[in-house]
Amino acid sequence: RKEVEQDPGPFNVPEGATVAFNCTYSNSASQSFFWYRQDCRKEPKLLMSVYSSGNEDGRFTAQLNRASQYISLLIRDSKLSDSATYLCVVNMGSNTGKLIFGQGTTLQVKP
Amino acid sequence: GAGVSQTPSNKVTEKGKYVELRCDPISGHTALYWYRQSLGQGPEFLIYFQGTGAADDSGLPNDRFFAVRPEGSVSTLKIQRTERGDSAVYLCASSLYGPSSNEQYFGPGTRLTVT
Repeated sequence: RKEVEQDPGPFNVPEGATVAFNCTYSNSASQSFFWYRQDCRKEPKLLMSVYSSGNEDGRFTAQLNRASQYISLLIRDSKLSDSATYLCVVNMGSNTGKLIFGQGTTLQVKP
Repeated sequence: GAGVSQTPSNKVTEKGKYVELRCDPISGHTALYWYRQSLGQGPEFLIYFQGTGAADDSGLPNDRFFAVRPEGSVSTLKIQRTERGDSAVYLCASSLYGPSSNEQYFGPGTRLTVT
């Protein structure tokens, strides 16, 4: 079983749609959680951290459920520029900088 | 300011050859990380440096892979006796203080092709 699992998609949605991505992680000792965005043939870039209380950044909302070991990302009012791969990322703890990435979920927003 | 830079951007080599990939982190960042990304997959951790020392090398796949950071800044990932399965994008990242500093900033990667 992969340590971080995501549905690879692709998710094809029209502009203005709301889309949600989910991710599960296997290690209950995981301590911090992130969503990274990766454009085609580019490096990953941090989109947002994910906190237990849930957090929002503009059109993006991230949530964490530690009991279910589940992370989500909600994108409202999708824009063409949101088209990318979204990577769910877990950090195991304070003694290592090792990030564990999911496979990524591909989003294609169509006009 | 300048981000993480990696050279070369592309490297094609023959099976069995030795390659070196270079990473120049953001100035002042003490932590440096190497990842490898295969097509259709997320990045896979290789090694993490805090200063000059390798704090976690648990992701190096075998002893053909080695990395150094002699002065605590630039790092070199070295691959001996390359195999076709080593073909991937090798990503370097840096962060300001290490594990407690959440954001890792990635470089553009080196695309390695082993023929």
